[in-house]
Amino acid sequence: SQQGEEDPQALSIQEGENATMNCSYKTSINNLQWYRQNSGRGLVHLILIRSNEREKHSGRLRVTLDTSKKSSSLLITASRAADTASYFCATAATSGSRLTFGEGTQLTVNP
Amino acid sequence: NAGVTQTPKFQVLKTGQSMTLQCAQDMNHEYMSWYRQDPGMGLRLIHYSVGAGITDQGEVPNGYNVSRSTTEDFPLRLLSAAPSQTSVYFCASSSRSVWGNQPQHFGDGTRLSIL
Repeated sequence: SQQGEEDPQALSIQEGENATMNCSYKTSINNLQWYRQNSGRGLVHLILIRSNEREKHSGRLRVTLDTSKKSSSLLITASRAADTASYFCATAATSGSRLTFGEGTQLTVNP
Repeated sequence: NAGVTQTPKFQVLKTGQSMTLQCAQDMNHEYMSWYRQDPGMGLRLIHYSVGAGITDQGEVPNGYNVSRSTTEDFPLRLLSAAPSQTSVYFCASSSRSVWGNQPQHFGDGTRLSIL
């Protein structure tokens, strides 16, 4: 079964708006990662947040992690048409097991 | 650096045929993995390797074989293709660490159709 589940499954916004995607997971984790996948391409790593961190920034990206709620969110500020892609969260359990990916959120940014 | 290179990009097979999907990385990464991506299923791990000569099964290994004779290459073999193996296959690599603690670098995938 999938460890991470993204919400919503699809999100459509206008350019310049903020986009927020959520990820929930079931077991304790060592870290959580977010990836982007453009249509027809492989996944690209965006950001990694460790279990002892609560927030992390990278450019227009902000990731939060709430281990008590077993959830994470990815915020993209001032979105651009080029941000149109699928976004996946992936978790690594504390036991050092492999990364487990969620099903992704399809983000469409309309110009 | 090319990163992770997968060949071919597209392939159509008939049921029962065999083939090898190629994956090569030039980053000297120890860890390499194969995933399949199906609609509504996310990415599922097929096989992985933590170094040359060492491989292990992932979540959905049946019908696939792997070997790791060099650090750079990690081919995936379909033994007898079945329509259920129609999917997009991704190879990924990451540097040595506790498993899952490093970003994974993905190839652009092989789109495989089994008729």
